[in-house]
Amino acid sequence: EIVMTQSPATLSVSPGERATLSCRASQSLSSNLAWYQQKPGQAPRLLIYGASTRATGIPARFSGSGSGTEFTLTISSLQSEDFAVYYCQQYNNWPLYTFGQGTKLEIK
Amino acid sequence: EVQLVESGGGLVQPGGSLRLSCAASGFTFSSYAMLWVRQAPGKGLEYVSAISSNGGITYYANSVKGRFTISRDNSKNTLYLQMGSLRAEDMAVYYCARKKNGDGYFDYWGQGTLVTVSS
Repeated sequence: EIVMTQSPATLSVSPGERATLSCRASQSLSSNLAWYQQKPGQAPRLLIYGASTRATGIPARFSGSGSGTEFTLTISSLQSEDFAVYYCQQYNNWPLYTFGQGTKLEIK
Repeated sequence: EVQLVESGGGLVQPGGSLRLSCAASGFTFSSYAMLWVRQAPGKGLEYVSAISSNGGITYYANSVKGRFTISRDNSKNTLYLQMGSLRAEDMAVYYCARKKNGDGYFDYWGQGTLVTVSS
C-alpha cells in the first residue's frame, strides 16, 4: 500500500498570505495525485488533479506542483473561504488508492 | 447536473447490519467506476470500497474486508454498500463518489450519510 504523509498537520496563516501544504508518497506516483478541500459539514471538493491541473471552477490562487514522491499545494493569497482541511490522494494503480491524513489550514 | 444522493444511514447496534444506497443522476452511471469513502467523527478520509463500471472489479479496505459488500444496479443508477458485523469504529459519515473515467481521482461526491454504531 502506498502511504501518503501530509505536513504540517495544522497550518496557521493570515488572510492575504501564502500557504504551502506538502504531501509525500512512500513510492513514486508520477503525477497521479489529487488534492481536495473539505469544509466543516461538507463533502470534499476536488481542487487539483494530475498534480497540477485545477478542477473546473477552482480559482487560480490554488496551484499544485510536484511529481514522483513530493507534492505541494500552494494557495497564493488566502481568502476567508480557503480555511478548511486539505487532503491529498494518490491514484497510481486502480483500485489501490489512498488519502493522506489531511492538513488543517486555520486562520492566524 | 451530476448528483449523488446517499441514503440508508442511521443507528445500528454493534454486530448489526445496514445497507447504504447512492442514487446517481445526470450522467451515464453504467460507464463509471464508483466508490465509498468514510469519515469518522473528527478524523480524516478513509477510502473504503470501490467497484468498476460493470461490477467486475471490487476493492475493499482491510478494515472492512469480509464484512462489507459493494454492489451496483446499473438499471437503477444506484450504488450500494452492504455493511455487516458493524463495530464502533465503523461509525462515520459515508460518502459515495464517482471516479473520473480514464483517471483515478474522484470528481463528484455525495453529501454523505451518517452511520452510528451504538448499543
